[in-house]
Amino acid sequence: EVQLVESGGGLVKPGGSLRLSCAASGFTFSSYSMNWVRQAPGKGLECVSSISSSSSYIYYADSVKGRFTISRDNAKNSLYLQMNSLRAEDTAVYYCAREYQQGCDYWGQGTLVTVSS
Amino acid sequence: SYELTQPPSVSVSPGQTASITCSGDKLGHKYVCWYQQKPGQSPVLVIYQDRKRPSGIPERFSGSNSGNTATLTISGTQAMDEADYYCQAWDSSTAGVFGTGTKVTVL
Repeated sequence: EVQLVESGGGLVKPGGSLRLSCAASGFTFSSYSMNWVRQAPGKGLECVSSISSSSSYIYYADSVKGRFTISRDNAKNSLYLQMNSLRAEDTAVYYCAREYQQGCDYWGQGTLVTVSS
Repeated sequence: SYELTQPPSVSVSPGQTASITCSGDKLGHKYVCWYQQKPGQSPVLVIYQDRKRPSGIPERFSGSNSGNTATLTISGTQAMDEADYYCQAWDSSTAGVFGTGTKVTVL
């Protein structure tokens, strides 16, 4: 069974940092591109960052470019999102999602990041 | 940046057909997928590569994409289909861009 489990969310002050993790199981992690997608309270979905299977291709939304860094460790079946210089507008549920055939076919349950003083 | 526009809401009677549009420049040249999201839950992929259904998704969900518009059609809509629906387009330069979302209400 495919499982994606996010962790690392919480309350952080503006300007602070957090590192999100996504533990994958039930599939060959190293064969898939992965995505971080966020959803602000009451709002729509936003693709924050994507990383190819071998980390050779990385994408960032303009809203996080220069502040967030995506990475993966295929040996540990894990995906990460390092978030620096956090702003109030980064407050959202952050989902880890597996990319398959131009779609995200499995999603984690999400982890809430709240940026507030 | 690339933008996808969806109607904010669609209402449908049980058993009828709901159509949700997703508009974007030359959208027909890109692959589109669709997600269903119920309150408090993670999104679920219901259509990928314009018209393919993942395993376990009912046949009443179908998709099309041509010109500047992609459409998700729910035939014989059921009460359980009440949810938010998002389109997503894939492009080599922008990765996955989401639409604005549509709330489907089954009256």
